[in-house]
Amino acid sequence: GAVVSQHPSRVICKSGTSVKIECRSLDFQATTMFWYRQFPKKSLMLMATSNEGSKATYEQGVEKDKFLINHASLTLSTLTVTSAHPEDSSFYICSASKPGLGSSGELFFGEGSRLTVL
Amino acid sequence: KNQVEQSPQSLIILEGKNCTLQCNYTVSPFSNLRWYKQDTGRGPVSLTIMTFSENTKSNGRYTATLDADTKQSSLHITASQLSDSASYICVVSEGTYKYIFGTGTRLKVLA
Repeated sequence: GAVVSQHPSRVICKSGTSVKIECRSLDFQATTMFWYRQFPKKSLMLMATSNEGSKATYEQGVEKDKFLINHASLTLSTLTVTSAHPEDSSFYICSASKPGLGSSGELFFGEGSRLTVL
Repeated sequence: KNQVEQSPQSLIILEGKNCTLQCNYTVSPFSNLRWYKQDTGRGPVSLTIMTFSENTKSNGRYTATLDADTKQSSLHITASQLSDSASYICVVSEGTYKYIFGTGTRLKVLA
């Protein structure tokens, strides 16, 4: 099956620094990728939809300048948490949509990245 | 408003027992419905994908059903194992690249 790779799986940083998380589709081209945030014992919360070659579409309440998304190629999307603070500590997950299965494609998830801001 | 509701919120069963998780949705237009399993600290993994015309689909000990008329789906787990302990998420696709997530059911299988 299709594989989506997310890196790093864990990152610890100091408050005020920026952290970049990568999401790669390894065996298919993904024109659309998604970024989620997940709090403990809660379901995934969609942050933004990343479209290759264009600006990301952010969900209501998600700060664009705080969570920078770049989808520079058909296999790579990055999420940069800028000037991270302890409240940004969370589990971040990406997914990529593989064309097929009608209009919505198959959805594959990365393994997630645990961000801890000290 | 497009919504996906799952029940129960959490469930505890003994190893070897069967269980059924429910997913009700009000998503329109409907494209497909997926069930995912998410282990703690990991990304979700697909169990089944069902389109409008499919009523039942199995994947090993997992069997999903879909009633497009009543907009309900269920995930039945047979002969549960300790490794089935996870969160199960129902995701309904609304048209092109639009996914509505359920709140999930947390399953705990005890020895």
